[in-house]
Amino acid sequence: AQSVTQPDIHITVSEGASLELRCNYSYGATPYLFWYVQSPGQGLQLLLKYFSGDTLVQGIKGFEAEFKRSQSSFNLRKPSVHWSDAAEYFCATVDGGATNKLIFGTGTLLAVQP
Amino acid sequence: GAVVSQHPSWVICKSGTSVKIECRSLDFQATTMFWYRQFPKQSLMLMATSNEGSKATYEQGVEKDKFLINHASLTLSTLTVTSAHPEDSSFYICSARGLESTDTQYFGPGTRLTVL
Repeated sequence: AQSVTQPDIHITVSEGASLELRCNYSYGATPYLFWYVQSPGQGLQLLLKYFSGDTLVQGIKGFEAEFKRSQSSFNLRKPSVHWSDAAEYFCATVDGGATNKLIFGTGTLLAVQP
Repeated sequence: GAVVSQHPSWVICKSGTSVKIECRSLDFQATTMFWYRQFPKQSLMLMATSNEGSKATYEQGVEKDKFLINHASLTLSTLTVTSAHPEDSSFYICSARGLESTDTQYFGPGTRLTVL
């Protein structure tokens, strides 16, 4: 069955520093992959998605992610983090069954220090 | 585009009462809506999937008689927590998937339910 793993539960970066959040997927064929962000007490906002084609995907808020089949990874990056980026980040993939439901990783909580 | 709303954003109720949460797709038609539950500092747990005009499909372990889901139109789904108890207190989030983007879910802002 499809799954995604987020190895880092919690990450702290300084404002202005670069960011990389890790996500590894488990699936034989090319998976559909997503990154969502959740601010405290809020729903999830879609940052970007990858279905096929160019392996470097640009998203909103200055985020990008790169699909690497050789590493089974879909890591999220941002060159310069802002304090407002502090939130929980979820990687997700789609279950290939009839409902196409999302399978979420456990999330990575990002803290940004001044 | 692709905006999903939920109402109410938070609700407090007494044990034994029922609570209805609405999920609306504001600018697209949602053929499928999903209901999730999220415990503090945890990921989302899918409760059920509903398709417009048909019965919801519940995930294993979710009581269908306790969590009633109705998806009566292409823009509205409701979740009713019946005879709520303190252990039902949680953050409930819905998402919607439209006709044109069948692989992408758009999420509502969530509803915080507290049962006293």
